[in-house]
Amino acid sequence: RKEVEQDPGPFNVPEGATVAFNCTYSNSASQSFFWYRQDCRKEPKLLMSVYSSGNEDGRFTAQLNRASQYISLLIRDSKLSDSATYLCVVNPTGSSNTGKLIFGQGTTLQVKP
Amino acid sequence: DAGVIQSPRHEVTEMGQEVTLRCKPISGHNSLFWYRQTMMRGLELLIYFNNNVPIDDSGMPEDRFSAKMPNASFSTLKIQPSEPRDSAVYFCASSLGTTSRNQETQYFGPGTRLLVL
Repeated sequence: RKEVEQDPGPFNVPEGATVAFNCTYSNSASQSFFWYRQDCRKEPKLLMSVYSSGNEDGRFTAQLNRASQYISLLIRDSKLSDSATYLCVVNPTGSSNTGKLIFGQGTTLQVKP
Repeated sequence: DAGVIQSPRHEVTEMGQEVTLRCKPISGHNSLFWYRQTMMRGLELLIYFNNNVPIDDSGMPEDRFSAKMPNASFSTLKIQPSEPRDSAVYFCASSLGTTSRNQETQYFGPGTRLLVL
């Protein structure tokens, strides 16, 4: 089983739609979680950190469910510019934080006019 | 502020040749990471350094790959000899360090697109 698993998609949605991605992780000791965004032929960039039970940043909401070991990303009122690949990222270590992050394969979102 | 700098941005070489990729992390960052990204395998961590010391190189594919960090502002990833299956995008990333949660954020360079013929 992969340490971080995502549905690769693609998710094709119309502008204005609400879309949600899920991600599961295997290490129950994981403490830190992130969503990164990667545009085509570009480098990954941090979108949101996910702490405690979740957090919101404008149209983006990230949720963490420790009991079920999954993280979700909700995008409301999607824009054409949201089209990208969204990477679920986990720090797999528990008490010893080594800074190593594990990246999921990514979920591709295509927002259409 | 300058982000992570990588060179070259593109590299085309023939099988058997030596390839050297270079990275300059963000000034003040203590951790440096080398990743490889392909369509099939996604983003894979190859090796990472803390304070110029290699911490985990378990992701390095084989002995043909080596990485060094002679000082806080420079790192290299070398492939010798290169093979077609090494074709990928190689990213370097840096972060502030590991002492607290908010120092984990990794900042990526633009990547080096390597094609081995």
